[in-house]
Amino acid sequence: LAKTTQPISMDSYEGQEVNITCSHNNIATNDYITWYQQFPSQGPRFIIQGYKTKVTNEVASLFIPADRKSSTLSLPRVSLSDTAVYYCLVGDGYNKLIFGAGTRLAVHP
Amino acid sequence: ETGVTQTPRHLVMGMTNKKSLKCEQHLGHNAMYWYKQSAKKPLELMFVYNFKEQTENNSVPSRFSPECPNSSHLFLHLHTLQPEDSALYLCASSQTREGRHTQYFGPGTRLTVL
Repeated sequence: LAKTTQPISMDSYEGQEVNITCSHNNIATNDYITWYQQFPSQGPRFIIQGYKTKVTNEVASLFIPADRKSSTLSLPRVSLSDTAVYYCLVGDGYNKLIFGAGTRLAVHP
Repeated sequence: ETGVTQTPRHLVMGMTNKKSLKCEQHLGHNAMYWYKQSAKKPLELMFVYNFKEQTENNSVPSRFSPECPNSSHLFLHLHTLQPEDSALYLCASSQTREGRHTQYFGPGTRLTVL
């Protein structure tokens, strides 16, 4: 299983772009990279998933370099409601998704 | 989001009680999961079911007993729990395709063991 490393916490201000980088040096060929968001006392919510290069949806972008040993979740123009824990996971598509401590993002007025 | 529902949302029980948590997914997925999340700790995978068959038991104590009667329903039966079992219990489902899958989580059951 590929282990992931993320910053424990980050601070930002409303309207700024936030980039959270995740390291996964041992990512396997079949692994995809998935990011989740979790608010207190709620289940994690899927944000975005990718395999290589760049993926963009209505809430975020995911940048994956050619070696795939890291990935960056980009949240454009964050608001107070984006304050949450963000998890980076890698997996080959079956069963084991190991959640780490995630990154606690605090967005300030 | 109502793709994965869990009941009850909150549960308080004594150590001698027997209770069950219920999870239902309306997404047509083939895999279901139970996770435990204690205060300020990462999610811990407890059980995995694929096509109703248990494929993962992450060294969970026997006082937690899962049941998956079909691919849409998942139960977690609880008996003689300990106070340290108090946590948020999360259910998730997924559909594996092309080597990747996305898990969709329910809102969780907040369990307090007195």
